[in-house]
Amino acid sequence: KNQVEQSPQSLIILEGKNCTLQCNYTVSPFSNLRWYKQDTGRGPVSLTIMTFSENTKSNGRYTATLDADTKQSSLHITASQLSDSASYICVVIPESGYSTLTFGKGTMLLVSP
Amino acid sequence: ETGVTQTPRHLVMGMTNKKSLKCEQHLGHNAMYWYKQSAKKPLELMFVYSLEERVENNSVPSRFSPECPNSSHLFLHLHTLQPEDSALYLCASSRDMSEQFFGPGTRLTVL
Repeated sequence: KNQVEQSPQSLIILEGKNCTLQCNYTVSPFSNLRWYKQDTGRGPVSLTIMTFSENTKSNGRYTATLDADTKQSSLHITASQLSDSASYICVVIPESGYSTLTFGKGTMLLVSP
Repeated sequence: ETGVTQTPRHLVMGMTNKKSLKCEQHLGHNAMYWYKQSAKKPLELMFVYSLEERVENNSVPSRFSPECPNSSHLFLHLHTLQPEDSALYLCASSRDMSEQFFGPGTRLTVL
């Protein structure tokens, strides 16, 4: 069964600090891996999309990495801001298509002043 | 704003009611999706429409009935729901199954 495990489940950091969120998956082969940010009460917003051949992808202060050998991805947030407080969701799209795409449960990040 | 709108934003209904959720996208996309997001659970893909044809139906109970009359509109018709169906229902759209843009969701409560 395809699985996506995210850690930590929740995280509190001080404004201005960096943090790294983890995503481990068993989906194979996969088409691409995506990270989303979901603010409370809103739909998810795409941060990065990586194919299996890409190692890293940046979007402003967000940098995602991918190690296809160990089946791990991470999302690094630099110089955190209060507006970064949200749930961060890892999604793996398999080659077989959308019928078996797998979402992680997300990491809830709280940035405190 | 992502270009995907959903109405209503909140809905409370009884188990014997019939209601519909509406989604509209203004992005010129050709694929639309319904997702269910329950508390402390991952997002679950319910239905996928590509070029107005349903291409995915992930074992969703028949009390949920999707409709895609054109590439810009997607509906989810609800009838005889159960309390465990209470969740956030998210609509998304994309161009050719690529990056998805999500709507704000409809918070559904079934009493």
